[in-house]
Amino acid sequence: QKEVEQNSGPLSVPEGAIASLNCTYSDRGSQSFFWYRQYSGKSPELIMFIYSNGDKEDGRFTAQLNKASQYVSLLIRDSQPSDSATYLCAVRDGNEKLTFGTGTRLTIIP
Amino acid sequence: DTEVTQTPKHLVMGMTNKKSLKCEQHMGHRAMYWYKQKAKKPPELMFVYSYEKLSINESVPSRFSPECPNSSLLNLHLHALQPEDSALYLCASSLYTSGAPGPSTDTQYFGPGTRLTVL
Repeated sequence: QKEVEQNSGPLSVPEGAIASLNCTYSDRGSQSFFWYRQYSGKSPELIMFIYSNGDKEDGRFTAQLNKASQYVSLLIRDSQPSDSATYLCAVRDGNEKLTFGTGTRLTIIP
Repeated sequence: DTEVTQTPKHLVMGMTNKKSLKCEQHMGHRAMYWYKQKAKKPPELMFVYSYEKLSINESVPSRFSPECPNSSLLNLHLHALQPEDSALYLCASSLYTSGAPGPSTDTQYFGPGTRLTVL
């Protein structure tokens, strides 16, 4: 059973601080890693994808991948109240399926 | 443009009704997906269509019947549903499903979803 694990939270972060979201996965053959943001009652929205070890930055977001440790993270700098949402980590293995973690609920406190 | 559209936005149906959900994308994607999402849970994969052929059925009950009339359209036909089938139904698409993964191939983009209530 391929697993993707996230801390369900809630994770509370003051406005302007850095939010750090973590995800571990069990399948060493996993090749693609995604972070989706989901507001309550809405559909998942792609934030970032990462394929190679290291960091990938896009605006206030940085994804970090460490395949040896089977670990992927998302950092949100200068957190805003609009960043309050559930963040889903998703991992694609060698077939067509995307396995989602249970999501981390993030609350940014003004 | 990474838009996937879904209709209707909301659907209320009785257990004896037949209804259909529709999904459309015009990004040239050749893979389309149906997911079901219950409150406070991650999306659960139901079906995958690859090049208009059903490639994955995650043991979904036959009261859900998918259809892919062409590469841009995906339908989900519903019949004799149960109250526990009430959920958010999400459609997604990606350029491809197979081959070497990469940012232009396997990234899935989700539609806004259909909120289904079965009475």
